[in-house]
Amino acid sequence: GAGVSQTPSNKVTEKGKYVELRCDPISGHTALYWYRQSLGQGPEFLIYFQGTGAADDSGLPNDRFFAVRPEGSVSTLKIQRTERGDSAVYLCASSFGSNSPLHFGNGTRLTVT
Amino acid sequence: AQSVTQLDSQVPVFEEAPVELRCNYSSSVSVYLFWYVQYPNQGLQLLLKYLSGSTLVESINGFEAEFNKSQTSFHLRKPSVHISDTAEYFCAVSDPRAGGTSYGKLTFGQGTILTVHP
Repeated sequence: GAGVSQTPSNKVTEKGKYVELRCDPISGHTALYWYRQSLGQGPEFLIYFQGTGAADDSGLPNDRFFAVRPEGSVSTLKIQRTERGDSAVYLCASSFGSNSPLHFGNGTRLTVT
Repeated sequence: AQSVTQLDSQVPVFEEAPVELRCNYSSSVSVYLFWYVQYPNQGLQLLLKYLSGSTLVESINGFEAEFNKSQTSFHLRKPSVHISDTAEYFCAVSDPRAGGTSYGKLTFGQGTILTVHP
């Protein structure tokens, strides 16, 4: 079946602009995670959704970052006033439940110029 | 706080040779341990995990990892690698007390790129 889909696969934006990154999880997966992977580093946790609610947003670096999942399926990660340091690959993962392994998408590569 | 250190950023080996990818972690509490693999142009996927019980865990494609509590390590091994094992491997830990996020809120290491040469 279809895996986790992330769009766009690449996004180039100018410093100060607003961007939205989309994640379509596997159908039926109630848990959804966002991670950020900077060059040469492992993924870092940003936020976790269980259903529609953000159950843990402790990894969001500052208030320029926000994520929503209004209908408990698709999620959007929103970044305001982008900075060059936001350049990274943003990964989305979903799972069937709390004790199920994560299924990752291929990521969105964000470049802020 | 938890942290993971993967001691080798790149490991080149020849086909059919044995390989060990090293992972050490730091945590003040017990942990769950994971190895994820990322093949070229694909997303991360779970290779194996340690939750409790036997300290030696195996994957379906011949990898194994052993949890060593005294050395706080979870090294990944394979006795004979194939070209198709070329990928980036990530070690990760989580907090078993985290309930709903014990499988998903992970602290990853920096990754080890395994390159298998013919």
